[in-house]
Formats: sequence, structure tokens, C-alpha cells
Amino acid sequence: QVQLQESGPGLVKPSETLSLTCTVSGGSVSSGSYYWSWIRQPPGKGLEWIGYIYYSGSTNYNPSLKSRVTISVDTSKNQFSLKLSSVTAADTAVYYCAREVLGYCSGGSCYPGYNWFDPWGQGTLVTVSS
Amino acid sequence: QSVLTQPPSASGTPGQRVTISCSGSSSNIGSNYVYWYQQLPGTAPKLLIYRNNQRPSGVPDRFSGSKSGTSASLAISGLRSEDEADYYCAAWDDSLSGRWVFGGGTKLTVL
Repeated sequence: QVQLQESGPGLVKPSETLSLTCTVSGGSVSSGSYYWSWIRQPPGKGLEWIGYIYYSGSTNYNPSLKSRVTISVDTSKNQFSLKLSSVTAADTAVYYCAREVLGYCSGGSCYPGYNWFDPWGQGTLVTVSS
Repeated sequence: QSVLTQPPSASGTPGQRVTISCSGSSSNIGSNYVYWYQQLPGTAPKLLIYRNNQRPSGVPDRFSGSKSGTSASLAISGLRSEDEADYYCAAWDDSLSGRWVFGGGTKLTVL
């Protein structure tokens, strides 16, 4: 069964760039049946979608974070990564990577509203502090 | 402030039936499927219901989902102590350039 594991620094200074990697095992990021997503959860709060990437490199980001987010994929390492620039304390959160199952695609387009997140990584806490 | 609205808490005794509501708008729940995720204490969220009312394999039939208009509900029957968790609803939102939106989560306590 597929498993996802986040890795990266647990502490980032304000104004710097947060960088995380998600390693996929038991499955391939090159599969055309999935998007690969990042979702975060500030301490004691709800979930916020950050964005996703397809194996081809196409991406879609949350408009509220779009100017600061870059998601990339490395098919040779079976990994995908998140970079979030100019971080502040508001970016302190548990960051999850997740596989987004494509529920319906037609004519070369997939419709996100038909997708779901399964499974999720265990999550990694990133604290933004000097 | 979450785009989807859930009650912050719910509770019930073992064996009872509880429901958790999720309210949205025409750009999310009104035009797209609703999904539910269960987050047990200290763990990552897990898919509980997909496409409004479908259960993944391994999810007990005590869990059921429904949707009407711009609202959705998660029902848990035969409540058990291991159901104590946070529950989140989610839907794709077609506004702006599209994004996933979540509810703020409902903490279910089994008394």
C-alpha cells in the first residue's frame, strides 16, 4: 500500500523559505491517476489546502498562497516538494502531503471536485520563529 | 474563518446516533461533491466519506454521508468510544481559479 512521508526542517526563520519533501513508497508519483498535494493545519485549527502537482509538472495553487508557493516533482526520486517563501509566524503549522485520487477525467482534463485525498502522510510540524 | 461551516463540537453516548452538519455555498457544496475526513488524536486525517455518501473499503457502515443543496451531513450510528475524533468536511470551490475548502472541524466527544 502506498505511504507518504514528509521531511524537512522543523524550524524556519521569518522571511526565509520553508522547504519540505514528500517521499512516496509503495506507489509512483509518475502515475497518471493522481495529483500530489500539500495541506497544512495551524496548531489547534482547521485544514488549509496549499496546492497540487501532476507528474507532468502541471500545478494548481490556493489563490491565497499562490504568490509564495512552488510545488515540484522529482520522478527519479519518487518525491514531490513544497517551497513557501517569505514565511511569517502565521505559516507555523503541521504540513501534510497527500495523494489526491483523480475521480473523473475526460478529454485530457480532470475535474478536481471529483477527487479525494487518500492517503495522507503523518505530517511534520514547521515552526516559524527567530 | 473557514469557508465551510461546521459546529465546533458534538457529543453523544455509546450506541447513540449523532450528526455533524457542514454548510457551504453554491460555488462549493452546491455544485460539487462533499468529502469527510476523520482525524483521530495526534494522527493525520483519514478519508471517511467520498462523493457525498460513498464509504472507502474498511470504513464501517455506521458512518454515512448525505448532501442537500448547499449543506451536507455526516451521521454516525451506534456510537463507539473509538469514534472520538475531529471530523472535517471538504469540497472543491469553483470561485476564483478553484481551490479545495474545508470546514473548521467538529470535535466529537463520546461521553
